[in-house]
Amino acid sequence: NAGVTQTPKFRILKIGQSMTLQCAQDMNHNYMYWYRQDPGMGLKLIYYSVGAGITDKGEVPNGYNVSRSTTEDFPLRLELAAPSQTSVYFCASSQTTEAFFGQGTRLTVV
Amino acid sequence: GENVEQHPSTLSVQEGDSAVIKCTYSDSASNYFPWYKQELGKRPQLIIDIRSNVGEKKDQRIAVTLNKTAKHFSLHITETQPEDSAVYFCAAPFSGNTPLVFGKGTRLSVIA
Repeated sequence: NAGVTQTPKFRILKIGQSMTLQCAQDMNHNYMYWYRQDPGMGLKLIYYSVGAGITDKGEVPNGYNVSRSTTEDFPLRLELAAPSQTSVYFCASSQTTEAFFGQGTRLTVV
Repeated sequence: GENVEQHPSTLSVQEGDSAVIKCTYSDSASNYFPWYKQELGKRPQLIIDIRSNVGEKKDQRIAVTLNKTAKHFSLHITETQPEDSAVYFCAAPFSGNTPLVFGKGTRLSVIA
């Protein structure tokens, strides 16, 4: 199993551009999550999903959108990138308790 | 939703000494409390967790204690080693049993 795979690993965006961060898991987990981690800070929950077709807001959802059309994939969409969205983004999945994280996407908005 | 407070934000110990990191949570319905370790430039990984029906759990040099009445839980690392140097995060469920809300992290430095 590859676990949780995120693409891309690095990305530089200009203000106002849009992009989609991809996340896929091959563990057949029902639960998937997106977190952001600002430098020297903790993990903030952006959005989460408890199963295909179901998504919900976390602590910091503004400026982001998600979809969950399949169990495996949980993409995160940034519509109008802003400098405040410069961060490392982690996708994670779980079935019962333990959350497994992807390797992260480092996003810089300039 | 859940609110998790973590202290201290930084901790330096001599190799061989013990380290203790404390967290408090706000939702009395929370029943699962994990600890994650994040090495520099890496993803967070689970090191130990505890459920609300037990007060303490040990795994070699690592232990977690839980006080449900006071709504706090702690990570204890004994006989610290340089490879224990990392950022440690506590967490509690945001809503129901998932997903997790994380504390702000503790940067542990073990000095040889």
